Amino acid sequence: DGGITQSPKYLFRKEGQNVTLSCEQNLNHDAMYWYRQDPGQGLRLIYYSQIVNDFQKGDIAEGYSVSREKKESFPLTVTSAQKNPTAFYLCASSIEGINTEAFFGQGTRLTVV
Amino acid sequence: GNSVTQMEGPVTLSEEAFLTINCTYTATGYPSLFWYVQYPGEGLQLLLKATKADDKGSNKGFEATYRKETTSFHLEKGSVQVSDSAVYFCALSDKKKNSGAGSYQLTFGKGTKLSVIP
Repeated sequence: DGGITQSPKYLFRKEGQNVTLSCEQNLNHDAMYWYRQDPGQGLRLIYYSQIVNDFQKGDIAEGYSVSREKKESFPLTVTSAQKNPTAFYLCASSIEGINTEAFFGQGTRLTVV
Repeated sequence: GNSVTQMEGPVTLSEEAFLTINCTYTATGYPSLFWYVQYPGEGLQLLLKATKADDKGSNKGFEATYRKETTSFHLEKGSVQVSDSAVYFCALSDKKKNSGAGSYQLTFGKGTKLSVIP
């Protein structure tokens, strides 16, 4: 079945460590996105990529990094520079176009301990 | 810039009650409008969408009509069930500012939590 897979579902990290969240899609979508979700804040865009080997900063990119070496993969690294990394992270993909929906993964809950 | 404003939650209803969740938007172009639903601990799923003025999106008993004159896309359901308990997000898709062709941005509201009690 086609879809987006995020792993792991739960992740614990010590302060000062970098951690990478995985996102893979087999929908053949060009565009991929990373969002952060905090209670009462809705979804905030971290990074997005419209094509392989290219990505753009979203509204809250500081402390995060991404790569897009393959069409189906868009990993997110949460670096030690991110001041408040505990959150629910959602990856999405879409066909680029105004009418098209975004498909979301199941999310990764990151907790800094 | 673009923005989406939803009614504040949480909303608590009894089973079989009528549901309305208000959503208004601001956009520079002619956006497409969406409602997404998020069940506890999961990602978002598309519930319905409308791509032009006066379009009505519908799915699973939920409906929303694209009202350009009031820049609104309110979500309604005639009779809610316990299984409808979730967080609902209104969203719009519009062309990114100062971008070339084929470059679109999805903007979300903050979400409205719905709890339906038996």
